[in-house]
Order: sequence, then C-alpha cells, then structure tokens
Amino acid sequence: AQSVTQLDSQVPVFEEAPVELRCNYSSSVSVYLFWYVQYPNQGLQLLLKYLSGSTLVKGINGFEAEFNKSQTSFHLRKPSVHISDTAEYFCAVSEATANAGKSTFGDGTTLTVKP
Amino acid sequence: DTEVTQTPKHLVMGMTNKKSLKCEQHMGHRAMYWYKQKAKKPPELMFVYSYEKLSINESVPSRFSPECPNSSLLNLHLHALQPEDSALYLCASSQIFGELFFGEGSRLTVL
Repeated sequence: AQSVTQLDSQVPVFEEAPVELRCNYSSSVSVYLFWYVQYPNQGLQLLLKYLSGSTLVKGINGFEAEFNKSQTSFHLRKPSVHISDTAEYFCAVSEATANAGKSTFGDGTTLTVKP
Repeated sequence: DTEVTQTPKHLVMGMTNKKSLKCEQHMGHRAMYWYKQKAKKPPELMFVYSYEKLSINESVPSRFSPECPNSSLLNLHLHALQPEDSALYLCASSQIFGELFFGEGSRLTVL
C-alpha cells in the first residue's frame, strides 16, 4: 500500500515570490510520482512527473520538482509565482508496475497568490 | 484545450431519474477511468477500464453503472442517486503506465 502526505493545506504567497509545495510519500515498492494542478471548475492537469532517471524534473508553467528517495519526498517549486498560479495542487503516487489509474492522491494544497 | 471530452458539463437530477455521463478520448489510450471529487477533496477512484474491460471497481454502489462501448468512449449510467452523490465526476485516460489525462468534469446535483 502507498500513501501521500501534502504537508501544507494552504500556502499564501505574494506575486513574484518563490514557492515550495511539500509532498512526502510512503511505499514499499518503486513508485511513479506526479503533480497535478486544478483550476476552479476544471479537471486536473499534469504539471510534471517522475518515472525514472534524473531526479530533478521540469514541468509546465515554470514548475519543477525534485525526487528524493532517501527522504521519500517530491516537493514542487517555482522561483517566481504569478496570480494565474492560484489553484489547487495535488501530489500523486502510483506503484511503478501498476496501472496509473490506481494513483493515490494527497489531500491537496491550495496555493493563493496575492498581488 | 483538453483532449478528454465530457458531457454534459452540468446535470441536475431527481432521485428517481435515470441519466448518463459521457466521456470520449482520441489519444489511443487503452485505460479509462471514472473519478468522483467532492469540494476541496482529492479525486476518488470509482472504476477503471483496461482494454475495454472493467478491471477495477472500488466498491461503488450499484446505482452507478459504468460502460465502455469501445476504446474511445466511456459512459457512467446513473439511477436512483442520493443527494450525497452530488459531486464533480471526472473522466480520465492514460496509457497503462503513465500520467492521467483528465476531462473538465461533469458537475452533478441530485435533488
């Protein structure tokens, strides 16, 4: 079994400031890791993913995340946020040999970017 | 623009009605999913179809009935729902291993 913990339920930040959204996971097997973003009244959209290889992963909209196996973390970062980044962010994990649809989602982090 | 299309975007139904949610993808994905999402909560997996066969049913009540007519289409038939079933219903697709591609969802209200 696997689990995901998003350590911050809400993150307020000013425009152009850096931001980090934290995600820890637990699994007894190799995993794939994902960050999704959900804007109001929309579905989820993939920001970035870690399947294998380089532990620093770059995604869309200037986001990046680093897979840290020893700390079982996959924190999401952006050096300078915009108002348009205000949204709900979900970290998700799936077993590397399992159907991706069995992904386990964290409870989400609400990022609010203030002017 | 999403490549997974869901209809209708909004649906209001009474507890005795029968309705259906529809989902379509043309990315050649062989796995399709239904998720339920309540406000301020993560998506909850309901059903998974792999190669057009139901592979996962997460103990969903029988008032929800999925159907996969072909590799591009996924339906969710609704009957005798309860007010607590009101939620955003998300369809997604994927290759068997990989990220999920979500539609924009169908917002269901049960009166």
